[in-house]
Amino acid sequence: AQSVAQPEDQVNVAEGNPLTVKCTYSVSGNPYLFWYVQYPNRGLQFLLKYITGDNLVKGSYGFEAEFNKSQTSFHLKKPSALVSDSALYFCAVRDGTGRRALTFGSGTRLQVQP
Amino acid sequence: DARVTQTPRHKVTEMGQEVTMRCQPILGHNTVFWYRQTMMQGLELLAYFRNRAPLDDSGMPKDRFSAEMPDATLATLKIQPSEPRDSAVYFCASGLVTGTSVEQFFGPGTRLTVL
Repeated sequence: AQSVAQPEDQVNVAEGNPLTVKCTYSVSGNPYLFWYVQYPNRGLQFLLKYITGDNLVKGSYGFEAEFNKSQTSFHLKKPSALVSDSALYFCAVRDGTGRRALTFGSGTRLQVQP
Repeated sequence: DARVTQTPRHKVTEMGQEVTMRCQPILGHNTVFWYRQTMMQGLELLAYFRNRAPLDDSGMPKDRFSAEMPDATLATLKIQPSEPRDSAVYFCASGLVTGTSVEQFFGPGTRLTVL
């Protein structure tokens, strides 16, 4: 079975400060890892993915994520938060076989204060 | 600008009525997913199709839910009869599986309210 944990329901950060949204995963074999963002009353939008290669993945809107195999983590980061980054963020994992759909975490609400 | 479309965007119905939600995947995508999002359960996978064939519908209550892909441009999710606990936002997503990975592109969702 594959699973994702997002331990924080909400993360609060001041505008201009760095942000981190945590994600840990469990999967058989090599993981495929994703981050999605959901703005109010909208569908999920793809931010970035890790398949293989460099552990630091860069994505849309200045976000990046670091894959750490030993800690089975894939934390989302941004050096300087914007108020417009306030949204719901989902981490997702899939195993490498391709037979399973993505498993999503419960989501973390990011609130960036001006 | 290719995107997944879903209709209707909002649906209010009474308990016991049939509900049909439609999804048009991005042209050329071979995989379609149906998700349900609620405050309590978060984002749940209901079913997914590859090349129009159902691969996994284990997340779907079989007694009242059904998902089909009549053709490559249309996916449907039906609930009959609907119940208040079915109230949620239903998302369709599509993707192209190329052997390594698939990104999923989400539609805007159908907000269903069952009274």
